Amino acid sequence: AQSVTQLDSQVPVFEEAPVELRCNYSSSVSVYLFWYVQYPNQGLQLLLKYLSGSTLVKGINGFEAEFNKSQTSFHLRKPSVHISDTAEYFCAVRRGQSTSYGKLTFGQGTILTVHP
Amino acid sequence: DGGITQSPKYLFRKEGQNVTLSCEQNLNHDAMYWYRQDPGQGLRLIYYSQIVNDFQKGDIAEGYSVSREKKESFPLTVTSAQKNPTAFYLCASSMEAGALHFGNGTRLTVT
Repeated sequence: AQSVTQLDSQVPVFEEAPVELRCNYSSSVSVYLFWYVQYPNQGLQLLLKYLSGSTLVKGINGFEAEFNKSQTSFHLRKPSVHISDTAEYFCAVRRGQSTSYGKLTFGQGTILTVHP
Repeated sequence: DGGITQSPKYLFRKEGQNVTLSCEQNLNHDAMYWYRQDPGQGLRLIYYSQIVNDFQKGDIAEGYSVSREKKESFPLTVTSAQKNPTAFYLCASSMEAGALHFGNGTRLTVT
């Protein structure tokens, strides 16, 4: 079974500052990794995903994440945040089998608050 | 545009009543999922279905039931046996090995 730990429940930051949201996972098999964003009272929107290949993954809205297998981490970064980035962010993991649908296991979420 | 439609957006029920949440997708995805979201607990999987007429229990299936009679539809029934049904419910779908696409959720309040 896979598990995900998001190390910070809340991250406050000032506008135009860089931000890193931390995610560690646990799995005995290869994995696929995802970051989602959720705005209030809405569903989740995919920011980026790692399936294979380059460990640096670029997503939408200027976000990127780096897969580090040795540290079992998949931290999300953005060099300069905007007020509109205020939202809750979820890291998720699933078994890395391309022939299987598999189910996603989610972390508990990190609330990013960007202050002017 | 393709997507997932959940209805209604808000739902209120009295304790002891069963209630069914609707989820429809036109993405032609094979797999569909139901998640429950509570503050500070992330998303927890209730049920998922990889093909029509087949579904599997997730981590918190007790007190819930589903059906998958059509590829496009995956309704969730919250029964009176569910002890804490008040929550935000999210439906999702996916292609094989792909990311999940989510609907905008149904907020259920049971009093």
